[in-house]
Amino acid sequence: QITLKESAPTLVKPTQTLKLTCTFSGFSLSSSGVGVGWVRQTPGMPLEWLALIYWDNDKRYSPSLRSRLTITKDTSRNLVVLTVTNMEPVDTATYYCTRDFWGGDGYYFDYWGQGTLVTVSA
Amino acid sequence: SSELTQDPAVSVALGQTVRITCQGDSLTHYSARWYQKRPGQAPVVVISGENNRPSGIPDRFSGSTSGNTGSLTITGAQAADEADYFCNSRDISGIPLFGGGTKLTVL
Repeated sequence: QITLKESAPTLVKPTQTLKLTCTFSGFSLSSSGVGVGWVRQTPGMPLEWLALIYWDNDKRYSPSLRSRLTITKDTSRNLVVLTVTNMEPVDTATYYCTRDFWGGDGYYFDYWGQGTLVTVSA
Repeated sequence: SSELTQDPAVSVALGQTVRITCQGDSLTHYSARWYQKRPGQAPVVVISGENNRPSGIPDRFSGSTSGNTGSLTITGAQAADEADYFCNSRDISGIPLFGGGTKLTVL
């Protein structure tokens, strides 16, 4: 059974750095073709992809947020961490962790965590 | 362009067929994936590739991509299908792209 679970503070202040942790089970991030990424959504807005890290440590970032994002993995502990610097109220959103899986004709996000709501406010 | 464009809202009568579309240059080289998103729930992939439907997804969901347009078709829409639907593709460097979403109302 594959599961992913996000953990993060529920409230951060403007200018602070947010640390998001994704703890997963049922698969290994050392398996070829597997990635773990982050997607967020503000109510009423589209899904917004943030970052991905793959089994070979290849990393991808949203071009619009690249300067503020860092993604890392700990394969032995089955976790992925995304840090977002200089948080602003517009970053208030539900953040989802998701597995990126090669489906034969390309990747898709096959499993998702339940999401964690992060509010940015003084 | 690295954008995916969707109609903001679509409605369908219960039991009828509806098609939700997505347009973007990336679709010419990477077929559309589709995600169903209900309020307060995580997204669920309903189409995982060129008309690939993950296990557990009803066969009333189908997908296709032609040229720069991706389509999600629901044949015999049910009340449970009322949700937001997001298309997804990748640009030439593998960066994921999401469409703006389509709110589906089942009347």
